[in-house]
Amino acid sequence: DAGVIQSPRHEVTEMGQEVTLRCKPISGHNSLFWYRQTMMRGLELLIYFNNNVPIDDSGMPEDRFSAKMPNASFSTLKIQPSEPRDSAVYFCASSPGGRVVEKLFFGSGTQLSVL
Amino acid sequence: AQKVTQAQTEISVVEKEDVTLDCVYETRDTTYYLFWYKQPPSGELVFLIRRNSFDEQNEISGRYSWNFQKSTSSFNFTITASQVVDSAVYFCAARFLQGAQKLVFGQGTRLTINP
Repeated sequence: DAGVIQSPRHEVTEMGQEVTLRCKPISGHNSLFWYRQTMMRGLELLIYFNNNVPIDDSGMPEDRFSAKMPNASFSTLKIQPSEPRDSAVYFCASSPGGRVVEKLFFGSGTQLSVL
Repeated sequence: AQKVTQAQTEISVVEKEDVTLDCVYETRDTTYYLFWYKQPPSGELVFLIRRNSFDEQNEISGRYSWNFQKSTSSFNFTITASQVVDSAVYFCAARFLQGAQKLVFGQGTRLTINP
């Protein structure tokens, strides 16, 4: 079975450019999470969807960040305009539902470098 | 506050030694789940174990064991007879019934096993 698929694996861009990160959750999973990992702040939840609806976006840093989930099999995280401090590894994760019992399955992450 | 704390930032031991990674959590919820994830040098997050708040039985899986103690709000992880392949960053995490049921991570402990 395919796991959570993220693309691209690596992204290098210049400050001010738009960046779009993509995620395909595991088929049948109803919950999707975007996390950011940095040395300073560790793993931070950015946004969480359940049945394609954003449930908690309190972790989204600022208006430059936006996330969408147009259908159950695809989500995007967009940064516009990007800044050097956005450099991090961005993980997408999915779980079968929104229940607290369920574990999250993580993708391999996107390493973003903003120069 | 709902929080997970891993006080040990880095641990370094010699192969075959036993090592314990500490995890302490804070919550007022009575229902929650605790998790451990491993992040090897390749970067992906690998699920290791899940424990619910009503089950304080310790668990053993091969060289890995987990000690859950509600009285001290701790969920510690022990690797017995460590091996070089155990070198990774280990994250303790929790999903609480309150707070949109998001997965909250500790800061992680970088474990290095030296040959």
